[in-house]
Amino acid sequence: KNEVEQSPQNLTAQEGEFITINCSYSVGISALHWLQQHPGGGIVSLFMLSSGKKKHGRLIATINIQEKHSSLHITASHPRDSAVYICAVRKGETSGSRLTFGEGTQLTVNP
Amino acid sequence: GAGVSQSPSNKVTEKGKDVELRCDPISGHTALYWYRQSLGQGLEFLIYFQGNSAPDKSGLPSDRFSAERTGGSVSTLTIQRTQQEDSAVYLCASSPERLYEQYFGPGTRLTVT
Repeated sequence: KNEVEQSPQNLTAQEGEFITINCSYSVGISALHWLQQHPGGGIVSLFMLSSGKKKHGRLIATINIQEKHSSLHITASHPRDSAVYICAVRKGETSGSRLTFGEGTQLTVNP
Repeated sequence: GAGVSQSPSNKVTEKGKDVELRCDPISGHTALYWYRQSLGQGLEFLIYFQGNSAPDKSGLPSDRFSAERTGGSVSTLTIQRTQQEDSAVYLCASSPERLYEQYFGPGTRLTVT
């Protein structure tokens, strides 16, 4: 079993829909990252969080440390949100700063 | 300011040849990471540099892989005697401190024929 599991693997939505992508992890972490990878391959860091909730524009990320779970929400989705969304965790301090990645969620937003 | 840059953007090489991939991190960033993304697979960690500390090489898949970081800035990932399974996108990222978010370069797509 992977240490970081994402669901769903693939998600298709209509423009305007509210989208949720989930991430569960099985190890102790010091931080969790949400990344966005566009079809051209470039990766952008969306959020880094270790507790609570962060919001940036139409994107919201939450984390529940006790339940080892994080969600990424996209409100009023748009075709330009189509990308692969990747959850990654940084383990406890003794493991340094290496990230362990989920398999990614391919999101397609249709107009 | 300038982001993380990588060169070359694409590299095609014959099996058995050595290749060098270069990463220029954001100026002032002390931490530098190499990751690999094989076709249809997720990202995997390769190696991590932090300042003058010994690098964390625990993700390197074999002794054919090595990396160095000169002067705390530019890094080179070297793959010796390339194999077809080395074909992947190699991504570099940097961050200002060990615990801060990481900024990714555009990657180098390596194809071993």
